[in-house]
Amino acid sequence: TQLLEQSPQFLSIQEGENLTVYCNSSSVFSSLQWYRQEPGEGPVLLVTVVTGGEVKKLKRLTFQFGDARKDSSLHITAAQPGDTGLYLCAGGLSGNTGKLIFGQGTTLQVKP
Amino acid sequence: GAVVSQHPSRVICKSGTSVKIECRSLDFQATTMFWYRQFPKKSLMLMATSNEGSKATYEQGVEKDKFLINHASLTLSTLTVTSAHPEDSSFYICSARREGLETQYFGPGTRLLVL
Repeated sequence: TQLLEQSPQFLSIQEGENLTVYCNSSSVFSSLQWYRQEPGEGPVLLVTVVTGGEVKKLKRLTFQFGDARKDSSLHITAAQPGDTGLYLCAGGLSGNTGKLIFGQGTTLQVKP
Repeated sequence: GAVVSQHPSRVICKSGTSVKIECRSLDFQATTMFWYRQFPKKSLMLMATSNEGSKATYEQGVEKDKFLINHASLTLSTLTVTSAHPEDSSFYICSARREGLETQYFGPGTRLLVL
């Protein structure tokens, strides 16, 4: 069974602080996607990383895919209340089944 | 962009009735669509993979006769919850994927409440 361990599961911080969310697995993924979801809505894609060691930046968000393609991190600089939401990592399985393995999710609350 | 819609967004039904949820890819052709279920403050749980023109592949523990999936075209998949019971109340989300790409684009979800 492929698992993707996401941590922390809950995070409450003050506006302006930095934070990092981690996703780790013993499995190798062909890609790693990060989504953000607000209550009552579907997940919205933030980024897809496919190359080991790849780093992508999206404004104050920095995403990294591990060299071995088994882990990934999301770093948010100077968090804002608008960053509040559920962050989900999802690993793509090889073999082109298209299925994603989801982490448990990180509920982030940024207080003004 | 890659836009996926779902209809209805909310549905309330009586126990024993059937409910159909539609998932459409609006600006691309989706050879594969996925149906998920999500409990409050939890991650997504894959129910089934739907391929256009073929039978859906269900995850272990998901009853195929209860959750009927049809993927009749490259832009439409439907999930029918048959003989719904209160325990079927949940947030159902679909996603769509372009052929050859791994990224999934999600619909806005459907909130089902069975009374």
